[in-house]
Amino acid sequence: GESVGLHLPTLSVQEGDNSIINCAYSNSASDYFIWYKQESGKGPQFIIDIRSNMDKRQGQRVTVLLNKTVKHLSLQIAATQPGDSAVYFCAEPDGGTSYGKLTFGQGTILTVHP
Amino acid sequence: DAGITQSPRHKVTETGTPVTLRCHQTENHRYMYWYRQDPGHGLRLIHYSYGVKDTDKGEVSDGYSVSRSKTEDFLLTLESATSSQTSVYFCAISEGGRIAKNIQYFGAGTRLSVL
Repeated sequence: GESVGLHLPTLSVQEGDNSIINCAYSNSASDYFIWYKQESGKGPQFIIDIRSNMDKRQGQRVTVLLNKTVKHLSLQIAATQPGDSAVYFCAEPDGGTSYGKLTFGQGTILTVHP
Repeated sequence: DAGITQSPRHKVTETGTPVTLRCHQTENHRYMYWYRQDPGHGLRLIHYSYGVKDTDKGEVSDGYSVSRSKTEDFLLTLESATSSQTSVYFCAISEGGRIAKNIQYFGAGTRLSVL
């Protein structure tokens, strides 16, 4: 997978544009997925989650789409703002284990230019 | 940061010294986790706890130990710090249970440098 801070996929957008960040997951049996945002120097912050029985879920300025056929998630951010600049990564349950463990993607760096 | 406090926030220490990082939560969540985050590796689970005195190893547990004597506190100890343990350490908590109760919430992190 990609490296955090090294060779991560990057997305550069202008303020006001819409952003789409993609994530491929591995376990077809996962029953929910989570998106996190991590700003520089901070801990990961929960953004939105989606259950596997849904195709789409909307939050405030964010929409997550789930395509179970190809095991793909996307996070759409509307009217992107400079404060949205961060690393975004998805997470899924850790292969059927208990204790709430998660498997995290390596992330995508989003840079928003004013 | 969802009622999670990590201390210290920054620490510089010397090789061979013991180091203890503390995670304190006010959410009364059952599960607690310690991760390290390094360029090239993303978030890696060190240890986790599923209750008071109940802990288990994660994928990178060598050189680390943990203790949880109270619901609110989860301690990570580096018995003899090495330079390879220079990293940013995150604590996370989750309520545990079905679906959304497994969302993990993270602390602000501890930046540890071992010289």
